[in-house]
Amino acid sequence: DTGVSQNPRHKITKRGQNVTFRCDPISEHNRLYWYRQTLGQGPEFLTYFQNEAQLEKSRLLSDRFSAERPKGSFSTLEIQRTEQGDSAMYLCASSKDRGNTYFGPGTRLTVT
Amino acid sequence: SQQGEEDPQALSIQEGENATMNCSYKTSINNLQWYRQNSGRGLVHLILIRSNEREKHSGRLRVTLDTSKKSSSLLITASRAADTASYFCATDLSLQGGSEKLVFGKGTKLTVNP
Repeated sequence: DTGVSQNPRHKITKRGQNVTFRCDPISEHNRLYWYRQTLGQGPEFLTYFQNEAQLEKSRLLSDRFSAERPKGSFSTLEIQRTEQGDSAMYLCASSKDRGNTYFGPGTRLTVT
Repeated sequence: SQQGEEDPQALSIQEGENATMNCSYKTSINNLQWYRQNSGRGLVHLILIRSNEREKHSGRLRVTLDTSKKSSSLLITASRAADTASYFCATDLSLQGGSEKLVFGKGTKLTVNP
């Protein structure tokens, strides 16, 4: 059990650029979640996968956001045409069924 | 709106004292999980308690769940300076709710003074 890993850990980008984050869940975890967290707030749900199927998306996930989990293992979260309001910590988590849900260290996005 | 709300928002205690944080939620849950987060870092999983459980222990941590009151508490005994962090509860809604995501509150910021 090596834990949930996320790359990159930090990303600084200019407004209007596209960014992509990667999440590698704990092996054999069938569920994978993406959350966003801003300063002083709790994590906000963005989307979740069960295996390769994306089962739920938050209204927070605008058309500029897309997530994939092509083979039911790692996942990517892409943000197109970034805006300053996208600056946040993006957290990935995984679980086996509805058991303990473990989070990765997060990717801190700064849009300038 | 937030499903879980932690109380208090901030708590400051002396090393060695016990810290109690509370979480209230609004709808039926499948389970409730507590997390710790140090400033600017990821969330560390502490304890999961299922809706049919009333109390769980892990080291210096004790979690209770009262489904009739839709509330949970996290007790940290004999606190240490290293316990300084934000603590979040996250509720996993019941199957009837349709949604299976974890919903977080805003957290309790705990400061343990040496």
